[in-house]
Amino acid sequence: DGGITQSPKYLFRKEGQNVTLSCEQNLNHDAMYWYRQDPGQGLRLIYYSQIVNDFQKGDIAEGYSVSREKKESFPLTVTSAQKNPTAFYLCASSSTGNIQYFGAGTRLSVL
Amino acid sequence: GQQLNQSPQSMFIQEGEDVSMNCTSSSIFNTWLWYKQEPGEGPVLLIALYKAGELTSNGRLTAQFGITRKDSFLNISASIPSDVGIYFCAGQLRSGGSNYKLTFGKGTLLTVNP
Repeated sequence: DGGITQSPKYLFRKEGQNVTLSCEQNLNHDAMYWYRQDPGQGLRLIYYSQIVNDFQKGDIAEGYSVSREKKESFPLTVTSAQKNPTAFYLCASSSTGNIQYFGAGTRLSVL
Repeated sequence: GQQLNQSPQSMFIQEGEDVSMNCTSSSIFNTWLWYKQEPGEGPVLLIALYKAGELTSNGRLTAQFGITRKDSFLNISASIPSDVGIYFCAGQLRSGGSNYKLTFGKGTLLTVNP
């Protein structure tokens, strides 16, 4: 099936730990995005990438890092510098300038 | 940055009723999108609007792109229990190098009582 796969579905982070969220797409989309969703809030953009080996900060990039080594993959690392990491994280992809399609999300909690 | 005001924040309706929600912006967009999100899942695209004044339907859903390009509404007719979820509007302004960014409203939580 074509689509966007996020893993894991649930993730727990200990104090001072970095964790990485996976996002893979087989839609042949050039652009990929990471959003953070908090209860009662809209989606806020963390990072986006329009092409392999290039990415830009979104509105709330502090405490996060990304890489885009392959077209299909856009992993997000939540670093220990992110003091409030508990949230629902959503990955999306699109062909150039077009509609974004979303994965099923990863829920990150702090132990 | 751009702000999207989505209202109402939540709605509690009886099955069979019609629903209306809207988004307004402080600045213009050239694309409006409506998504639905169910608990624990990612948003799913319902309707995309590309032209001011455009009225588009998808089954029981109808959405319009406002003439001023600063607003959009979504109507759901004859609601059913599976309409439950959070509905998000999103605007996109295609310009220059950051033409892929979407601005999202905070969502409308819809509850349908059978």
